[in-house]
Amino acid sequence: QKEVEQNSGPLSVPEGAIASLNCTYSDRGSQSFFWYRQYSGKSPELIMSIYSNGDKEDGRFTAQLNKASQYVSLLIRDSQPSDSATYLCAVNIGLTQGPSGTYKYIFGTGTRLKVLA
Amino acid sequence: DTEVTQTPKHLVMGMTNKKSLKCEQHMGHRAMYWYKQKAKKPPELMFVYSYEKLSINESVPSRFSPECPNSSLLNLHLHALQPEDSALYLCASSQWAGEKLFFGSGTQLSVL
Repeated sequence: QKEVEQNSGPLSVPEGAIASLNCTYSDRGSQSFFWYRQYSGKSPELIMSIYSNGDKEDGRFTAQLNKASQYVSLLIRDSQPSDSATYLCAVNIGLTQGPSGTYKYIFGTGTRLKVLA
Repeated sequence: DTEVTQTPKHLVMGMTNKKSLKCEQHMGHRAMYWYKQKAKKPPELMFVYSYEKLSINESVPSRFSPECPNSSLLNLHLHALQPEDSALYLCASSQWAGEKLFFGSGTQLSVL
């Protein structure tokens, strides 16, 4: 079983709609969860981070975490064509703890989002 | 300054060449990373430095050799690479290991 799974897409949504991106992970020791956006030919940039169960909102973006079910999702409200990109889910597993601890940062394969004008 | 600076942006090298990729950050971050990314694939972790010590080496071939001269700098020395090593090489940093990553713009490497 892959450690972090995402549907590769493409996920196509009309402009102004809500885009819903999902991610599941296998390691129950996972501690922190991140969503990155990557435009074609560019490096990933952080969209959201979430550490505890529930919802976290930042502008048009909402991250949702459910540790019992081992999934994390990203909702994008009022989707714009400029949101068209690949969205990478990343999960951090603490191998040893503390600021100088060892953490394994694992990316999912990414979901390609297309927002249609 | 919230940037991670990588040089060069593009690199073409032959299989017998030796070259180095450089990465610099001035955010006071104590963890730095090298990732390799092939087209349409996610970033693949190569090395993690935490407090200037190598904490993770993901079984990377010895033709890739990382170096962390100080808390702001990270190098990746390349020697005798193979064509299949052609990829985008990404440097990233975080406040400490386990925290959110800030990526540089990457080095697009082609091995001929």
